[in-house]
Amino acid sequence: GAVVSQHPSWVICKSGTSVKIECRSLDFQATTMFWYRQFPKQSLMLMATSNEGSKATYEQGVEKDKFLINHASLTLSTLTVTSAHPEDSSFYICSAKDVKNTGELFFGEGSRLTVL
Amino acid sequence: GQQLNQSPQSMFIQEGEDVSMNCTSSSIFNTWLWYKQDPGEGPVLLIALYKAGELTSNGRLTAQFGITRKDSFLNISASIPSDVGIYFCAGQFETSGSRLTFGEGTQLTVNP
Repeated sequence: GAVVSQHPSWVICKSGTSVKIECRSLDFQATTMFWYRQFPKQSLMLMATSNEGSKATYEQGVEKDKFLINHASLTLSTLTVTSAHPEDSSFYICSAKDVKNTGELFFGEGSRLTVL
Repeated sequence: GQQLNQSPQSMFIQEGEDVSMNCTSSSIFNTWLWYKQDPGEGPVLLIALYKAGELTSNGRLTAQFGITRKDSFLNISASIPSDVGIYFCAGQFETSGSRLTFGEGTQLTVNP
């Protein structure tokens, strides 16, 4: 099946710093990617929809200035957690929609962020 | 917020037993999906259901899309240790543009 890769798979940073997480579709083009956040023993919560060449659409309650999303190409979306705090520590997962497929989504392997 | 109720929350079974879990929603979905997530990894699609009443199998897994379009179940037959993980249902609205709403998950433990 199609492959979606995230980088880094885990990152530890100091409070107040910014962290960038990449989501790449390796063998298909994705005009739309989705970013989820998952806290321990909880489900995936959609944060935002990333659209290639346009602004991301954020879910209610998600701060767009804190979670910056850039989708500059058909194979790459980035999520930047700005001024990270310990409560931002979470598992961040992206998914990508294959433009040639009828809505099929493929998930990345996730990125574990720990803010000290 | 979450709109899907998934049960049970956790299951502890013996190897070889069959397992059943389900999801219900107050809203109608036009697509139901079932995923498995291993620790520290992203979810992997198990079965996708696109039509009300549809019954689909994938090896030892069987899932059904409820007639009312508000529920779905997943059955695992003859469980094996590698079935351990968290199983999520997810629903998709026709106008959601592929946005998924996930259930709370079912943690499955299989004892050898």
